[in-house]
This record gives sequence, C-alpha cells and structure tokens, in this order.
Amino acid sequence: EAQVTQNPRYLITVTGKKLTVTCSQNMNHEYMSWYRQDPGLGLRQIYYSMNVEVTDKGDVPEGYKVSRKEKRNFPLILESPSPNQTSLYFCASSLSGATYEQYFGPGTRLTVT
Amino acid sequence: AQKITQTQPGMFVQEKEAVTLDCTYDTSDPSYGLFWYKQPSSGEMIFLIYQGSYDQQNATEGRYSLNFQKARKSANLVISASQLGDSAMYFCAMRGDDKVIFGPGTSLSVIP
Repeated sequence: EAQVTQNPRYLITVTGKKLTVTCSQNMNHEYMSWYRQDPGLGLRQIYYSMNVEVTDKGDVPEGYKVSRKEKRNFPLILESPSPNQTSLYFCASSLSGATYEQYFGPGTRLTVT
Repeated sequence: AQKITQTQPGMFVQEKEAVTLDCTYDTSDPSYGLFWYKQPSSGEMIFLIYQGSYDQQNATEGRYSLNFQKARKSANLVISASQLGDSAMYFCAMRGDDKVIFGPGTSLSVIP
C-alpha cells in the first residue's frame, strides 16, 4: 500500500529536550515536505526537499532541522523545543513539479510544556 | 509574495444542495498548480482536485469542480449535491516548482 508514515503520532515533551519525528514514504517520491498546522493559519511549510541531500527552508523554518540522507526518509528535528512549537505536524511526499498532488502522513500531535 | 486567501472561516449548507468555497491567490510565477484538500474531523489530509495555471478548462472530479478564473486569480471549489460526509475543513493550496502554500481553510458543515 502506497503511504507516508510518521512516528510518533502523539508526543508530549518538555522545553529544551531534543526530539525527532520520523517520516517515511514508499512511493519513490523525490519531493518531501514538513508542515505545521495551527488553528486559523492553515498549513505552513517548514522545510522541503527536492531530492536526496537537497533541502530548503519553507515559510517557518526557525527552530527546526531536517535531513534527507535517503530518498524514502525525511526526519524533522527539534533540537530545543519550545512551547510555541506545540502544533500538529504533517509530512508529505509527491513527485516533483507544480502539477502533482501531495500525499500526507497521518500527522503528529506535539505538545511542548 | 505568494499568498492564498480563503475568506470564509465557516459555512453551512443544506444536504443535497451545492456549495462554493472561495479561494483567491497571489503569485508572480507564470506556472503553478492549484489544489484543494479536505480534512475531516479524523485529521487526515485528502486530495480532492487539481487545476494547472495553463489549463483552459475547469477541472472536475465527480461531485467536485474547480471554478478557475485566472484573471481574477481565483480558484473556487464547487461541491454539488452535498452529503453529510462532506462536513470537514477544506484547504486551498498553490504549488510552484518548489514551495507549497496553503490558505487558512474553510470549515464546512452539512445540515441534514
């Protein structure tokens, strides 16, 4: 089954404790992206990757890191989480180009206290 | 700067009626794609329909159609014959060759 998986689905952590949210896709997609969803703001792009070893900032990259060492994986790293990073996070993948829809993971609900 | 505007935070529609969800966008790129996604209360993001900037005809997918007016920079979603299962958040999105931006969404409630 074609899918994007994210782990964990739910995470409660404390300020400053490093965490990683994993994302993996099995569709051989070049393009992968991370979003955060906050009420009234829709989804905002954090980072995206056009291919292996190629990453770039989206609209809200501050406080986040990513890496793309393999085509299928695109982890999101919060090295020192803060309460304003409490949000719903989505990973997505697609073929590259403006004409292709994205396939989304199930989301990760992160709470930072 | 690229931007997506959805001016209707919440809407109600009677079951079996048609409803239009508004989306306007701003970009200076000549080539882009416009997408609509549905997010039910369970939280997953579901792709509904796509319109390319160079497409001459409006896109349709079953009960969904996209009213694309390029000169007005609008890409409204029309849902015909609304069903209770259409109650959800709806997001308009625009994609260039790299970045993707989303609007704030419209919450649609279908009334029996």
